[in-house]
Amino acid sequence: SSELTQDPAVSVALGQTVRITCQGDSLRSYYATWYQQKPGQAPILVIYGKNNRPSGIPDRFSGSSSGNTASLTITGAQAEDEADYYCYSRDSSDNHLGVFGTGTKVTVL
Amino acid sequence: QVQLQESGPGLVKPSETLSLTCTVSGGSIRSYYWSWIRQPPGKGLEWIGYIYDSGITNYNPSLKSRVTISIDTSKNQFSLKLSSVTAADTAVYYCAREVEDKLGYYYYYYMDVWGKGTTVTVSS
Repeated sequence: SSELTQDPAVSVALGQTVRITCQGDSLRSYYATWYQQKPGQAPILVIYGKNNRPSGIPDRFSGSSSGNTASLTITGAQAEDEADYYCYSRDSSDNHLGVFGTGTKVTVL
Repeated sequence: QVQLQESGPGLVKPSETLSLTCTVSGGSIRSYYWSWIRQPPGKGLEWIGYIYDSGITNYNPSLKSRVTISIDTSKNQFSLKLSSVTAADTAVYYCAREVEDKLGYYYYYYMDVWGKGTTVTVSS
């Protein structure tokens, strides 16, 4: 089955920009979806489709994609953005399985 | 707005079957994929499987032999059964609504509504 690989951890200074990447073959066929998860909480959707934000998600969150890599960018990171971030997609084979990325811990310094 | 609520036993004995139900309120269960996801303590998210309102299912290959997801549209509920559990199945279990959409040639899928999650511990 397909895998989605993320860097385990990144850090960003308050107010600066950080990019989180997600790599996998399925991303050549499907847009990635991005979720934010804070400790003890359920994940919440932050980016879906080409670059869509659900209502209530700040516009400092944006998504992009190129080839087999999807990216989530936080422009002007805030303290409340410190969280785990997961990408998600369907497998690009005919079986349409779901697959989550390995997750990235974002620390805001 | 649509809300999801997981329910079921918080403690299951090894070798027994874990059973959880997700109740959908504030909207219809029709025309969406309904998914189960779990997260072992200190680990990442693991996709378990989904069911469409028609009853079509798809499961994680690593769990396929033990998993059954079913749906009851009359009750606006869908359920998860995981048989022959071991300590490795201890996790927070989430249910979620998954939307299918398309832009040009690209399909995309996103889980826009999640339950709060329920902790299931496998222990004797």
